[in-house]
Amino acid sequence: EAGVTQFPSHSVIEKGQTVTLRCDPISGHDNLYWYRRVMGKEIKFLLHFVKESKQDESGMPNNRFLAERTGGTYSTLKVQPAELEDSGVYFCASSQGQGKYGYTFGSGTRLTVV
Amino acid sequence: RKEVEQDPGPFNVPEGATVAFNCTYSNSASQSFFWYRQDCRKEPKLLMSVYSSGNEDGRFTAQLNRASQYISLLIRDSKLSDSATYLCVVKSPGSARQLTFGSGTQLTVLP
Repeated sequence: EAGVTQFPSHSVIEKGQTVTLRCDPISGHDNLYWYRRVMGKEIKFLLHFVKESKQDESGMPNNRFLAERTGGTYSTLKVQPAELEDSGVYFCASSQGQGKYGYTFGSGTRLTVV
Repeated sequence: RKEVEQDPGPFNVPEGATVAFNCTYSNSASQSFFWYRQDCRKEPKLLMSVYSSGNEDGRFTAQLNRASQYISLLIRDSKLSDSATYLCVVKSPGSARQLTFGSGTQLTVLP
C-alpha cells in the first residue's frame, strides 16, 4: 500500500511569492489533514478534509493560506503571498474513518521563505 | 499552559537500559492517545495507541491514567535504533479530529 505522498519535499521561495504544496493521501482514506511545524515549536493542526469538504479549518493561521481538495482525492495547500514566518515543515496525514488507530503522515514539505 | 506537556529531555541512555517518558494533557475530555516516533527530518510515525488498561508491544509499554491526565511510555532493553524523538499525541474529543502534539522528548541510545 502506497503511503501518504507529499510534493515537493523542499521548497525555497522569496517573501511575497506563491507556493503550492500537494498531498496524495492513502487510497480510500476520506480524511485528510494538514499540519505544520515551525522552528522550535510543536507540530500544529491546520485543517481537516472529509472527502472534498473542509470539516475543520480552525488551525489555518490567516487568509494567505488556501487549502483545496477537489474531487476528494489529493489536496493542495497554497500560501500566497508567503511571509518569513511561514517557514517550516508542512505535513499531510490521512486516516480511514475517525483515525481511532492514529493517522499516517507523509514525509512533509520543508518550506523556507527567504 | 500547553495542552500536552512532555519531559523536556534529552535522554541519553546506554544500550540495554530501561527508559520512561511522561506526558500530561490538559483537556480531561480527550479520548484518544498515542505515542509517535519521529526520526531526524522525517515524518512522525505511529508507535502505539494508549489505552486505559495499558498496552504492551514488545519492548514498549504505554500507560494511561485518566484521573491524573497522565500518559507514559516505557522502553525496555533499549536499542541503538530506538534513538529518535518521541511525541505524545492527544486527539480532540467529540467529532473534532485534531491531534495535539507535545513538543517531543529526544532519546539517544549510546553504544
